[in-house]
Amino acid sequence: DGGITQSPKYLFRKEGQNVTLSCEQNLNHDAMYWYRQDPGQGLRLIYYSQIVNDFQKGDIAEGYSVSREKKESFPLTVTSAQKNPTAFYLCASSSSRGTSTDTQYFGPGTRLTVL
Amino acid sequence: KNQVEQSPQSLIILEGKNCTLQCNYTVSPFSNLRWYKQDTGRGPVSLTIMTFSENTKSNGRYTATLDADTKQSSLHITASQLSDSASYICVVSAGNNRKLIWGLGTSLAVNP
Repeated sequence: DGGITQSPKYLFRKEGQNVTLSCEQNLNHDAMYWYRQDPGQGLRLIYYSQIVNDFQKGDIAEGYSVSREKKESFPLTVTSAQKNPTAFYLCASSSSRGTSTDTQYFGPGTRLTVL
Repeated sequence: KNQVEQSPQSLIILEGKNCTLQCNYTVSPFSNLRWYKQDTGRGPVSLTIMTFSENTKSNGRYTATLDADTKQSSLHITASQLSDSASYICVVSAGNNRKLIWGLGTSLAVNP
């Protein structure tokens, strides 16, 4: 069964703690992305990666970090520096190196709640 | 400023009826326009993608149109089903920039 998996589906964390969201894909896609979705707002790009060992900041990278050590994996760490981390986080991937004609395929999302 | 605006914000229709969702954009230079369907609590799924030269594209009961002159797109859903209840998001890509401009979506509810 091919696709993108994100885990966990629901995540709770205490204020001041770092937390890492998992994203794995077996589509052999080069590019991967992390988005944040809040009620009443469009998707906002946090980070993206076009190739292993390389990644770029998106529009709202502050308080987040990523790594791309393997083609299949693109974990996102929400640090304590992120002031409003409660949100729905979506991971996506696309087949070529992030050109504008790519279709992005999304995972099921992780809902993070800070207590 | 690159923007994508969708209307209506929400829509309720009866099962079996047709509906049309609108997307207006001010994105330059335009590269392509996508429609995504997002079920509640799930990731978006691509329905159609259209480039500048395409003005109609269908995917089953979904038909998207694009007027690049007026910078408008529509998504027409025919013979709606309960499973069509979701948010429909219009996304425009600017030039060769991999950054996508996302609309806020239209929330569609199909009632029996």
